[in-house]
Parts: sequence; structure tokens; C-alpha cells
Amino acid sequence: DAGVTQSPTHLIKTRGQQVTLRCSPKSGHDTVSWYQQALGQGPQFIFQYYEEEERQRGNFPDRFSGHQFPNYSSELNVNALLLGDSALYLCASSLVPGRPYGYTFGSGTRLTVV
Amino acid sequence: GEDVEQSLFLSVREGDSSVINCTYTDSSSTYLYWYKQEPGAGLQLLTYIFSNMDMKQDQRLTVLLNKKDKHLSLRIADTQTGDSAIYFCAESLASGGSYIPTFGRGTSLIVHP
Repeated sequence: DAGVTQSPTHLIKTRGQQVTLRCSPKSGHDTVSWYQQALGQGPQFIFQYYEEEERQRGNFPDRFSGHQFPNYSSELNVNALLLGDSALYLCASSLVPGRPYGYTFGSGTRLTVV
Repeated sequence: GEDVEQSLFLSVREGDSSVINCTYTDSSSTYLYWYKQEPGAGLQLLTYIFSNMDMKQDQRLTVLLNKKDKHLSLRIADTQTGDSAIYFCAESLASGGSYIPTFGRGTSLIVHP
């Protein structure tokens, strides 16, 4: 049973560019959350998708947007990249948003902005 | 993670007990969690405790919750080198029908022989 799959694993982008990160949730899960983890920091919540809609959003600018597809997979898009966007981006899936536990995390995408 | 605070480092000898501490600020937190992150990996949920509980034990792990002081601790008995990792404390409360964990900065546990 595959867990959460994220692609790519590493990415280098230039300041001002746009990037798309992808996530496939664990089999049976229908809710996807995205987190940003800067070096030496804990993960910061970006947003959560359920039923193809953004349900909750953290304190991130509109440059961060997402999408969820009918098969529950999800994309995170970041426009106009800044150096400060360099981080590990983690995707977590769960079964429905209302569960207080049961988040399964992927290994993340390491984004470096130069 | 400014709502959840943890010490950054802990060094223990193999076979000893490790105690990782955490304080949180939101008194309405309903669930508190401990996650483990090994190098190059995502976060793994170790255990969680509901806010009406004082203690939870799961094999080598013991979680203690002091609601009055908003203090959470994780004790790892008989710590092994494989326990070396970053441990994150997290809190959540129901918001819009979801429980979104808010994480601390993590405590790096180093286990030496």
C-alpha cells in the first residue's frame, strides 16, 4: 500500500519563476493538506483541500494556490518565487477533514530558489 | 510554530530515558500530538492525546499532559540510536470542521552509544 507520494523530490528555480508541486494521497484518503517547512523550523500549514475545494488556509499570500483533482491528488502552485520560498514542502493526506488524527505525510519536495 | 514551543536539542546516552518537553498557548486545543521526522523523510505520527486525558502510554512512549500549565511531554524509555530524529509537538483544535495540526520548531534528539 503506497503512502503519500510527492514529486519531484528536489527542484531548483530562479527568483520570479513559477513552480508546481504534486502530491498523490495515500490510498483511501480524500483530504490533502500542504505544509511549508523552512530549514530548522516546524511545518507551517498552507492550505487543505477536500472535495476539490480549498477548505482551510493558513497565513500564506495569494502567490500560493492549489488544486485537487477528482482522483484526490493535488497540486501546489507558487508564483513569483522569492528566495524565502526555499523550503521543504510537505503534503499530508487524511480521511475526511474532520478526523483529528491520521495524517500521513509524504517525504516532501525540496525547493531551492536562487 | 510560535504557539508551540520546544527546546531545540536533547542529547542522551543509549539505554537512558529521554524526555522531550513542549508548551502550547491555545487553551482550547483539543488534541496534542508527537511527530517524528528522520533525515530526508516526512513526519510520522508517534502518538496523540486528547485534552481530557492526563497520560497515555504506548510501549516505550509515555505522554504526559498538564492542562493547567499547558505543558506536554514525551518520554521515550530505553532510548536507542534509531530514536535519533527530530520530534515535533503539535496542537490542534476544531476549526471549520477540520483539525489542523500546528507544529513547534522541533527538538533534535541525539542518542549516543
